[in-house]
Amino acid sequence: IAGITQAPTSQILAAGRRMTLRCTQDMRHNAMYWYRQDLGLGLRLIHYSNTAGTTGKGEVPDGYSVSRANTDDFPLTLASAVPSQTSVYFCASSEKQDYNEQFFGPGTRLTVL
Amino acid sequence: GQNIDQPTEMTATEGAIVQINCTYQTSGFNGLFWYQQHAGEAPTFLSYNVLDGLEEKGRFSSFLSRSKGYSYLLLKELQMKDSASYLCAVGDSNYQLIWGAGTKLIIKP
Repeated sequence: IAGITQAPTSQILAAGRRMTLRCTQDMRHNAMYWYRQDLGLGLRLIHYSNTAGTTGKGEVPDGYSVSRANTDDFPLTLASAVPSQTSVYFCASSEKQDYNEQFFGPGTRLTVL
Repeated sequence: GQNIDQPTEMTATEGAIVQINCTYQTSGFNGLFWYQQHAGEAPTFLSYNVLDGLEEKGRFSSFLSRSKGYSYLLLKELQMKDSASYLCAVGDSNYQLIWGAGTKLIIKP
């Protein structure tokens, strides 16, 4: 693989269910990010990780959790999905925190009913 | 608060020039980015400005005025494949990117 991959590509989920969105990068980037993109709004940061073993909250973290056990993987978990979490989710990475060019995965389109 | 403003939609003609403006108010400034996003795809990096002035890269140029909190992306010799959304983003004091909602550019033949 080259770059960032995300899985699944799309998912329809019943409200109340638990869901993990997967993200893997092979660029050995230290920093990784999860965004959601909704129509008419800019990308909004959910959680980030500046290096393996550390995570931080972004602008809209409620209802989401992340972990960063190693450099390559950065899964995003919705513990109990709600319809307002219907969105397109993008994972991104950058070489380091203060090097801001970010590389994006292809996105996951999530619908919560 | 932090705010990035850019027009929602613009229309231009193939072969012409278009300028997409972006104004920002953020807590701190660590560079301004422009990304391109085709419908249904991920954003891809176009340009980065951290100092005032014009950065040129082929058909695309980006300008920054930090004192005015203003940037523009200039696209020359427009091609149909340039139809996309253009996202302005600013690095804040924590090096997190604050994103505008994007400008949808429609190119007509």
